[in-house]
Amino acid sequence: AQSVSQHNHHVILSEAASLELGCNYSYGGTVNLFWYVQYPGQHLQLLLKYFSGDPLVKGIKGFEAEFIKSKFSFNLRKPSVQWSDTAEYFCAVNAPRDDKIIFGKGTRLHILP
Amino acid sequence: DSGVTQTPKHLITATGQRVTLRCSPRSGDLSVYWYQQSLDQGLQFLIQYYNGEERAKGNILERFSAQQFPDLHSELNLSSLELGDSALYFCASSGPGTRGTGELFFGEGSRLTVL
Repeated sequence: AQSVSQHNHHVILSEAASLELGCNYSYGGTVNLFWYVQYPGQHLQLLLKYFSGDPLVKGIKGFEAEFIKSKFSFNLRKPSVQWSDTAEYFCAVNAPRDDKIIFGKGTRLHILP
Repeated sequence: DSGVTQTPKHLITATGQRVTLRCSPRSGDLSVYWYQQSLDQGLQFLIQYYNGEERAKGNILERFSAQQFPDLHSELNLSSLELGDSALYFCASSGPGTRGTGELFFGEGSRLTVL
């Protein structure tokens, strides 16, 4: 069965700090990988996705993620965070053409102004 | 605005009761997903429907059931409620072109409190 682990449940950073949120998945085959974000008071929305090809994918608001197949990882990065990045971030995985999409438990990111 | 509508936004009820949560997907989307979000369990996949048929099942309790109607809206029924059922219940939808790709559009959730 697929599973997703997010290592950090709560992260606190100062503005301009660099960010890396860890995500590891458990699945033996080809996967689609995603990061979703939930800003305070808003619905979850897609931040970026990986289906195939270049393992370094870029999303909205300066975020990027790198798929490392050998490590079953898909870590989210941003070189310099802003206060407006305060949100909860979810990593998700599914197999292509599979209807089940599994999410990690989420990481709450708090940026200090 | 994602285009996915969930009602009610908040619901307070007592143990043993039954509630129904409703979801209207984005116009044109055929798939509806239900997730439960709690502090300790994170975002748990419950069930998914595609064009009226159940397609995938996750950690959904037997006390819970769902269906998708011909107009594509979906309802999640929670019965014999327990304190531990208190959570935020999300609905998400995806379109024919995104089925199986994981691109979901989420509603704002229904917050259920069981007292």
